[in-house]
Amino acid sequence: GAVVSQHPSRVICKSGTSVKIECRSLDFQATTMFWYRQFPKQSLMLMATSNEGSKATYEQGVEKDKFLINHASLTLSTLTVTSAHPEDSSFYICSAWDRGAYGYTFGSGTRLTVV
Amino acid sequence: GQNIDQPTEMTATEGAIVQINCTYQTSGFNGLFWYQQHAGEAPTFLSYNVLDGLEEKGRFSSFLSRSKGYSYLLLKELQMKDSASYLCAVRARPSGGYQKVTFGTGTKLQVIP
Repeated sequence: GAVVSQHPSRVICKSGTSVKIECRSLDFQATTMFWYRQFPKQSLMLMATSNEGSKATYEQGVEKDKFLINHASLTLSTLTVTSAHPEDSSFYICSAWDRGAYGYTFGSGTRLTVV
Repeated sequence: GQNIDQPTEMTATEGAIVQINCTYQTSGFNGLFWYQQHAGEAPTFLSYNVLDGLEEKGRFSSFLSRSKGYSYLLLKELQMKDSASYLCAVRARPSGGYQKVTFGTGTKLQVIP
């Protein structure tokens, strides 16, 4: 099946700094990628839909200026958490449609800890 | 919006069969997915239903009834490694909106010897 590579897997940053998370589709082109956030013992919450070559579509309640999404190519989408605060500590995960499996493939996730 | 309900926790015995239910309410339904997620890991795709009926894939089967807004995941011959959270996810494109996938809160399954 298709593979989505996500980096970094873990990151610890200081409050007020920015962190960039990358998701790459390794063997297919992903015109659309989805970014989720998962807090402990909770389900995945869709943050935004990343569209190649155009602006991302954000879910209600998600701050566009805080969570910057860039989808400059068919194989790369990035999520930048700007001015991170401890409450942004979470598991961030991306996904893309796998046409072969007819399902959504997820990246391995990024555990962000803001101290 | 979408409402997706599934039990929070379930316990079953190794070798047995367990059924995890999911009910949903949405407009513009366009498919239902089941995922398995072990703690601290990314979800892995199990099944996809878009038409009514049963889809079987090895020890896992998934059923969908669109008219009832209901699905279940059936796990047979349970193994200890099946202990995980099982997420029901609904894809929909509401009128005037865009297509997206929404996840239920997940069912944490514990398999006991």
